[in-house]
Amino acid sequence: DTGVSQDPRHKITKRGQNVTFRCDPISEHNRLYWYRQTLGQGPEFLTYFQNEAQLEKSRLLSDRFSAERPKGSFSTLEIQRTEQGDSAMYLCASSPGTGNQPQHFGDGTRLSIL
Amino acid sequence: GDSVTQMEGPVTLSEEAFLTINCTYTATGYPSLFWYVQYPGEGLQLLLKATKADDKGSNKGFEATYRKETTSFHLEKGSVQVSDSAVYFCALSDWGSASKIIFGSGTRLSIRP
Repeated sequence: DTGVSQDPRHKITKRGQNVTFRCDPISEHNRLYWYRQTLGQGPEFLTYFQNEAQLEKSRLLSDRFSAERPKGSFSTLEIQRTEQGDSAMYLCASSPGTGNQPQHFGDGTRLSIL
Repeated sequence: GDSVTQMEGPVTLSEEAFLTINCTYTATGYPSLFWYVQYPGEGLQLLLKATKADDKGSNKGFEATYRKETTSFHLEKGSVQVSDSAVYFCALSDWGSASKIIFGSGTRLSIRP
């Protein structure tokens, strides 16, 4: 069990640029979640996948955000035309998706918009 | 919708003091309740959980009891250590851990030697 891995750990970009983050869940975890955490707040749910199917999206996920999990393994989260308000920590979590198993979180990708 | 309200911080205590961090929730169904912890420079870790009313979750000396009548899940520890300094998040999910998690805003705890 190598844990949930996220890449990159930090991303600094200029406003208006596109960014993409990657998440590798724990192997054999078929559920994968994305959350966003701003300074001084708890994480907020963005979206989740059951295998390759995206089952729920939060209203927080504007049209500029898109997430994929093409083969049911790793996932990517893309933000197009970044804005200052997108600056946050983006967290990925995974779980087996059966029974009462907890979600395991990665260390996150911190996005800073200049 | 479902929500979690927890005690605002920061909370500063001396080593060996008794800790309580209050948490209340609002949910339409019968949620599972969690405490997550975020140590400095580290990711979120599950500290403890409870899945039904009157369940007590416990781990590393921390305890919390699922109180349906008061919709509360307060975190307690009898004697805190410097190493307990972290941010603590109360959270819920609607049906077990497979659903999305709704977090409170977090309570920063600092322990003085």
